[in-house]
Amino acid sequence: KNQVEQSPQSLIILEGKNCTLQCNYTVSPFSNLRWYKQDTGRGPVSLTIMTFSENTKSNGRYTATLDADTKQSSLHITASQLSDSASYICVVTSYSGGGADGLTFGKGTHLIIQP
Amino acid sequence: EPEVTQTPSHQVTQMGQEVILRCVPISNHLYFYWYRQILGQKVEFLVSFYNNEISEKSEIFDDQFSVERPDGSNFTLKIRSTKLEDSAMYFCASSRTGVGEAFFGQGTRLTVV
Repeated sequence: KNQVEQSPQSLIILEGKNCTLQCNYTVSPFSNLRWYKQDTGRGPVSLTIMTFSENTKSNGRYTATLDADTKQSSLHITASQLSDSASYICVVTSYSGGGADGLTFGKGTHLIIQP
Repeated sequence: EPEVTQTPSHQVTQMGQEVILRCVPISNHLYFYWYRQILGQKVEFLVSFYNNEISEKSEIFDDQFSVERPDGSNFTLKIRSTKLEDSAMYFCASSRTGVGEAFFGQGTRLTVV
C-alpha cells in the first residue's frame, strides 16, 4: 500500500531560525513528489514539485531535497517568518497519475513560528 | 493568475439533507478531483474525473456521493443524504495533466448538524 510518512508531527521554532521537515514514502511506481503549504482552513498551495531525476529544488526560502534511492525528501525553511506558520504536506504521485493511487498525502507537519 | 474557485466557502446543513458543493476548475485543465479533510486529519482522496467520467474513486466515495460536470466550467460534488461524519473541508483540485501540478481550491467547510 502506498504510504507517505512525515516527521515531526509538529514543530515550534523562533522567528528567524531555520528548520527541516522530513518525508519518507513507499509509493510505487514513483512519478513526482510535491510539498504543499496549507494555512489553517485553506486549500493546499504548491511549494515545489520534484521528479525522479531532481535532487534539490528551491522556491525562495524553501529548499526541497529528494533522495529517490532511500525514498526520502526534506523541506528546509531558511530564516523563518511568522507567515510560515502552517501545515506542510508531502504528496507523492504514482505513475498512474490522478486517482486513488495518483496522489498519496502525508499527514503533514504543523509548523508554528513564534516571535 | 488562474485559480480553482469553490462555493460556498461554508455550508451548514441538517443531517439527511442533500448538499451540492461547486467548483470551477482552471479553464484549460482536464483532470478534476475532490478531496476531503476531516478536522485535524490528513487530506483524503474521494474521486477523480476525466473525459466526462469518473476515472478513480476511493472507498469513501459510496453511493451517497456523485459528481457532475454539468457544463464546460463547473464541477460539482453532491452528497445525497448527509451524515454527521460528512462534516469536513472539501477541496476541489484540477490538473492539466494527470501527473502534473494539481491546483487546489480554497475549500468548502461542510458542517452537518
